[in-house]
Amino acid sequence: DSGVTQTPKHLITATGQRVTLRCSPRSGDLSVYWYQQSLDQGLQFLIQYYNGEERAKGNILERFSAQQFPDLHSELNLSSLELGDSALYFCASSAGGRAVAGELFFGEGSRLTVL
Amino acid sequence: AQSVTQLDSQVPVFEEAPVELRCNYSSSVSVYLFWYVQYPNQGLQLLLKYLSGSTLVKGINGFEAEFNKSQTSFHLRKPSVHISDTAEYFCAVSGPGSNYKLTFGKGTLLTVNP
Repeated sequence: DSGVTQTPKHLITATGQRVTLRCSPRSGDLSVYWYQQSLDQGLQFLIQYYNGEERAKGNILERFSAQQFPDLHSELNLSSLELGDSALYFCASSAGGRAVAGELFFGEGSRLTVL
Repeated sequence: AQSVTQLDSQVPVFEEAPVELRCNYSSSVSVYLFWYVQYPNQGLQLLLKYLSGSTLVKGINGFEAEFNKSQTSFHLRKPSVHISDTAEYFCAVSGPGSNYKLTFGKGTLLTVNP
């Protein structure tokens, strides 16, 4: 158990819809990272928040947005969903703001299926 | 920009055989290197990491990796695998060249057969 909690574990929705994925980081970790894992693209970094502020942005679509709340949990919002958004979405956390010496702790992921 | 190439998408081996999973990276500056493992239906877990110092690093579950700067490689090895080592293994790189963002390779599926 990594200590990172993601909900929901599975989500099935239709094209054009909007969903919210939730992540609670390990106790004490200030950084939250979102990754998308798909068969063709592999693990793609989406975005990182550190203590409530956006720290780094990766290959995140404009239809996607995220935020980190004062209690440090984070939400990833995916809107106008397309078939190609079907993937496993991982949240990870770390103590510091950089993946330098510290490791990332991953949740078990949220599997999104868009029909 | 930094990138990682995992040369094998799938590696099947028999139980108790040795295994090597290959990883090459591309970076013009210093790097930090990681291997993560993903067991079925689970998140990723850190196996080992190279930050500096000794080029041979040991991780959990009997795995080790060697950093080779001249060949820009960070291959993962285990002298004798178990059925329970069946999983997907990801090589990753971080460093100033990517503003310390972790960049993953596409993964290698290790299947250990009895």
